[in-house]
Amino acid sequence: EIVLTQSPGTLSLSPGERATLSCRASQSVSSSYLAWYQQKPGQAPRLLIYGASSRATGIPDRFSGSGSGTDFTLTISRLEPEDFAVYYCQQYGSSPTFGGGTKVEIK
Amino acid sequence: EVQLVQSGAEVKKPGESLKISCKGSGYSFTSYWIGWVRQMPGKGLEWMGIIYPGDSDTRYSPSFQGQVTISADKSISTAYLQWSSLKASDTAMYYCARVPGYCSGGSCYWDYFDYWGQGTLVTVSS
Repeated sequence: EIVLTQSPGTLSLSPGERATLSCRASQSVSSSYLAWYQQKPGQAPRLLIYGASSRATGIPDRFSGSGSGTDFTLTISRLEPEDFAVYYCQQYGSSPTFGGGTKVEIK
Repeated sequence: EVQLVQSGAEVKKPGESLKISCKGSGYSFTSYWIGWVRQMPGKGLEWMGIIYPGDSDTRYSPSFQGQVTISADKSISTAYLQWSSLKASDTAMYYCARVPGYCSGGSCYWDYFDYWGQGTLVTVSS
């Protein structure tokens, strides 16, 4: 099983700032089968990024994903008030696993 | 519009059985897998298992094998997650999600979880 470790656990930032979230895999993720999800309190997760860098339908371009192999990054270029949430990475393929999440909170 | 609508919240006692549902609409229900994800209170997401409603091919995460049963009724576009004997530790929010994927040579490969249900809260308490 591929273990995903997300860091930091919590990111305290102000609106307008840049957020950089990390996801590290215990072994190489095949074909960049890496997704990012956003979850707000009381809501289901929402797909943001798939294939490590492709934005899902309707996702603003301030969200971008990068990386390959074992190291992946989600970047939010300028935080909007609605972006404060918990973000999860997921590797898919033969046996999906999720990272533990990064909470982006208002500073 | 793709939608996954889950059954309502449940409150059960330890030892009771339970079956929750996830009804798909707006797409070909038999052409995509349905995955189930657990989220314990204040915790992260855990993949439980997945079913292909087209032929009921079902795979489980090793952590949940033998703990739950996943099934589907393609005639009513509905997938299910059930427990035969609930424990307090089963208290959690459970989500279903649509998952593109395929199987080849006995192995299956799944894509990202593109649409999610709203979740079903299961509370197990004496």
